[in-house]
Amino acid sequence: EDKVVQSPLSLVVHEGDTVTLNCSYEVTNFRSLLWYKQEKKAPTFLFMLTSSGIEKKSGRLSSILDKKELFSILNITATQTGDSAIYLCAVEGDDYKLSFGAGTTVTVRA
Amino acid sequence: KAGVTQTPRYLIKTRGQQVTLSCSPISGHRSVSWYQQTPGQGLQFLFEYFSETQRNKGNFPGRFSGRQFSNSRSEMNVSTLELGDSALYLCASSSLAGFGNTIYFGEGSWLTVV
Repeated sequence: EDKVVQSPLSLVVHEGDTVTLNCSYEVTNFRSLLWYKQEKKAPTFLFMLTSSGIEKKSGRLSSILDKKELFSILNITATQTGDSAIYLCAVEGDDYKLSFGAGTTVTVRA
Repeated sequence: KAGVTQTPRYLIKTRGQQVTLSCSPISGHRSVSWYQQTPGQGLQFLFEYFSETQRNKGNFPGRFSGRQFSNSRSEMNVSTLELGDSALYLCASSSLAGFGNTIYFGEGSWLTVV
């Protein structure tokens, strides 16, 4: 059974802070790891990672994968209130499905 | 380019009834998968279809079924609804048969069973 564990489960920060979210996984025949942002609606795609050590960046967000240690981190710098959301980590194995973690709820206070 | 479209967006059903949810994937996408999201269980995989073939099915009872049509549109059906079926049902699509492809989600169908 594939397993995805995210930490922390929730955190509260102030605008301008930097946030680091963690995702560890166990999956048979790893294919990719995906990060999504969910704000009371459907998850919005952020990143897909398939190779170790290559950082992906999009504005203030960045993510990296370590396939040896089986984890990924998602960083958000200079946080804004619009970053408040649930951040979901999911892994894809060779069985055409995504296994999701429980998510990290990020609250950014003005 | 239109995104993944799900209908209906919101619905209320009574225990024992059945429901059909529809999903139109992004144009050109041939893989469609369904997920159930609840506060207690998070996002759980229901099934995945590619070119009208179910390639994988999650650990849900037989009351949950689905299909995909030749135009890649998909439907899922839940029969004999139970209170515990109340959830957000999400459809996702991706472009290729293989792996490591970006998977995009629709807005979801909010189902409430009373």
